Amino acid sequence: GENVEQHPSTLSVQEGDSAVIKCTYSDSASNYFPWYKQELGKRPQLIIDIRSNVGEKKDQRIAVTLNKTAKHFSLHITETQPEDSAVYFCAASIGSNKIIFGKGTRLHILP
Amino acid sequence: DSGVTQTPKHLITATGQRVTLRCSPRSGDLSVYWYQQSLDQGLQFLIQYYNGEERAKGNILERFSAQQFPDLHSELNLSSLELGDSALYFCASSGIAGGRSTDTQYFGPGTRLTVL
Repeated sequence: GENVEQHPSTLSVQEGDSAVIKCTYSDSASNYFPWYKQELGKRPQLIIDIRSNVGEKKDQRIAVTLNKTAKHFSLHITETQPEDSAVYFCAASIGSNKIIFGKGTRLHILP
Repeated sequence: DSGVTQTPKHLITATGQRVTLRCSPRSGDLSVYWYQQSLDQGLQFLIQYYNGEERAKGNILERFSAQQFPDLHSELNLSSLELGDSALYFCASSGIAGGRSTDTQYFGPGTRLTVL
């Protein structure tokens, strides 16, 4: 079945620096790749998503890149701020069916 | 606020008991998903319903069951509870955004289950 690997599990970056989180997926039929941010004790919230017909998508300080050949996608956060501290989950799915999540990356923004 | 509601917010019960968690999807969404999140763990997909029918199954234990009703709300039933079932249970929905079908899942606030 589909498997999503996410790295690193923990990431600490200095405020103002960039953070990169990487994911790989196993099912080549996957065509939808969302990223969720989860603050402590709260619900996961969608921050950006990308579909398989696009290689890159950007929304202000957040960007996602997708390499379908290599079956990996990455989240890039630039000019990190304290409020970026959270757990980030990548996911892969075929349409709206059975999204499989990575295990999460705990991002710490250091002052 | 995602538009997905879950009740109760917190639930404390004893081993061996049975509980029911409830989820109301966003207005118009036909798909409902259930996830389990244990302490410091990722999101484990349990089950998906679409318009009242089971669409996909994940790592759901036989002690757990779910259903989606004609009004599209869903219930997750957990029975013969064990200490290890203590977790956050999230419901998510997808289906419609601005009148168009979407794959995006919107999560509810979760139900924190504590089994003593």
